[in-house]
This record gives sequence, structure tokens and C-alpha cells, in this order.
Amino acid sequence: QKEVEQNSGPLSVPEGAIASLNCTYSDRGSQSFFWYRQYSGKSPELIMFIYSNGDKEDGRFTAQLNKASQYVSLLIRDSQPSDSATYLCAVMKGNFNKFYFGSGTKLNVKP
Amino acid sequence: EPEVTQTPSHQVTQMGQEVILRCVPISNHLYFYWYRQILGQKVEFLVSFYNNEISEKSEIFDDQFSVERPDGSNFTLKIRSTKLEDSAMYFCASSSGGTDTQYFGPGTRLTVL
Repeated sequence: QKEVEQNSGPLSVPEGAIASLNCTYSDRGSQSFFWYRQYSGKSPELIMFIYSNGDKEDGRFTAQLNKASQYVSLLIRDSQPSDSATYLCAVMKGNFNKFYFGSGTKLNVKP
Repeated sequence: EPEVTQTPSHQVTQMGQEVILRCVPISNHLYFYWYRQILGQKVEFLVSFYNNEISEKSEIFDDQFSVERPDGSNFTLKIRSTKLEDSAMYFCASSSGGTDTQYFGPGTRLTVL
């Protein structure tokens, strides 16, 4: 079983719509959850992190965590073409924050 | 804004040669990491480093790999005898604390011929 699973996509949404990205993880001992954005050929860029159950909002982005269901999601409101990228879910375990990354979901925002 | 830097941006080497990839983490960070990403695949953890020693390593990080912090600023990844399958993007990351966000450098693309 994979540590972190994401739908590879592509997920296509029109400009201005809400994009919903999902991630599940296998280890209930996972502590922290991160969303990174990666443009082709570039390094992962942090969008936001979440530690506690519930929602966390930052600008156009909302992360949602449900530890009982082992599920993390990222909502992007008012999607822009510049949001087109691969979104990586990362789960942290252990004492030295070893990250497990999902394979990423490719998002296409159409103008 | 402080950032992680990596050199070189692209390294081409012959199979069997040694390579050293260099990273300068964010200056007040204490935890350092190397990841790799084979083209089209996911980002994979290689090793974490804290207090001048390896704290965790993955099964990928075998005897061909080593890490070092030779001075107060650099953090290096050495691959002793490169294989074709080592061709990948290698990312360095750093964080300020044990449970804090990791910030990634721009990566070094390693091509083994």
C-alpha cells in the first residue's frame, strides 16, 4: 500500500472555478500534512500545511484534514491559469520530518 | 527572503564516476534533507541530517551515497560510482525545526551517460 495516494489527473477546471484536490494516506501515525505546487522542471513550492482536523484557509487556498478518514484535500478558489501545475501532497512522519510525497495531481486551469 | 541554493543546476557524468552535489541551506535552519525525483515520477526521500549526523535514510540511500556538512554553510550529497538509474533531479531541503516546513532548493539535474 502506498504511503500517500493522489489521483494523477489531469484535473481540468475553467478559470474562476474551484479546484478540489484530494489525497489519502495510509499511516494513522502521520503527524503533519503539506501541499506543495510544482511547475514542470522546477522544485516543489510550499502552498500550505495543516496539522489539526478541520479547515485552514490562506488566501484562495483552503486545506482540509480528516484524520479519521486519513484524508487531506486542497481547495483552490477563483482558479487562475497560473495555478496550472502539479500539486503534491506530502505527509510527515517520524522525529525528523521524513516526508512521503504522493505522485501529484496535475491541474489545468483553462482561460 | 532566504532561500536554499544548489549547484550545479545541471551535472552530466559518465557511468562509474563520482559526483558531488552541493547545497547551501537557509542559514538558521538545522535540519537538512536530500530528495530525488526521476523524470515523471514522484519526489522520493533519500536522507535527513541533523546535528552533523544522518538521522534517517531511505532504502534508496545505499553505500554509494554519502552526505556531509563540510563547513557551516554547505551540505553535500556524494554519489561514489554513478549508475544510469541515478539520473534524476536531486533536491536539497532544509527546515528550522523537527516538525517544521521544509523549503526546497531549485534542484540539480543529474544525467548519467
